[in-house]
Amino acid sequence: GAVVSQHPSWVICKSGTSVKIECRSLDFQATTMFWYRQFPKQSLMLMATSNEGSKATYEQGVEKDKFLINHASLTLSTLTVTSAHPEDSSFYICSAGTGRGRYGYTFGSGTRLTVV
Amino acid sequence: DAKTTQPTSMDCAEGRAANLPCNHSTISGNEYVYWYRQIHSQGPQYIIHGLKNNETNEMASLIITEDRKSSTLILPHATLRDTAVYYCIVRVGYGGSQGNLIFGKGTKLSVKP
Repeated sequence: GAVVSQHPSWVICKSGTSVKIECRSLDFQATTMFWYRQFPKQSLMLMATSNEGSKATYEQGVEKDKFLINHASLTLSTLTVTSAHPEDSSFYICSAGTGRGRYGYTFGSGTRLTVV
Repeated sequence: DAKTTQPTSMDCAEGRAANLPCNHSTISGNEYVYWYRQIHSQGPQYIIHGLKNNETNEMASLIITEDRKSSTLILPHATLRDTAVYYCIVRVGYGGSQGNLIFGKGTKLSVKP
């Protein structure tokens, strides 16, 4: 139980375009989802916390107008990287909170974004 | 959340037990110890968590010292597929409603044939 599906697994886009990444909880409802970013050989860095039906909370230094987060339902959160640039190339990972012990936090498989 | 300290890297021979230490000397009484691992280019995978008692599941065992200032994750029979970065995280509660997980640098475990 507690599966999180993230799509796409990888994407290549041109500089200046926007990319949307989806994070779905398949067998549970997630009132809270988290978005992380991971650069090569570094640890996961929390970008924002997404709450269903309300505005996301962004970590210090993360541009909310560049990384648009929408959590319109209990099973779907999306991250849109707007006007992507090469420095936005990274591994993006979502996580959903299940509120249940063992499955307290379940992670998606990640999205490799390459901006050319 | 309390900070944790882990060795940067460890090697283990295939088939042997892998013992991964974690120091969390400033842990509070209501903070749990979580272990996750991340295999290259994948999302983190939950392994085990505990509060103060030792825990065991199908993947691993978690040994927490009596004073809770440190813990050890034990993979009883490491395989090549256990090669990954292992993260020890302490935080309040165990549900998503309790906030996010903060990742440190973790321990890169290399299991060698």
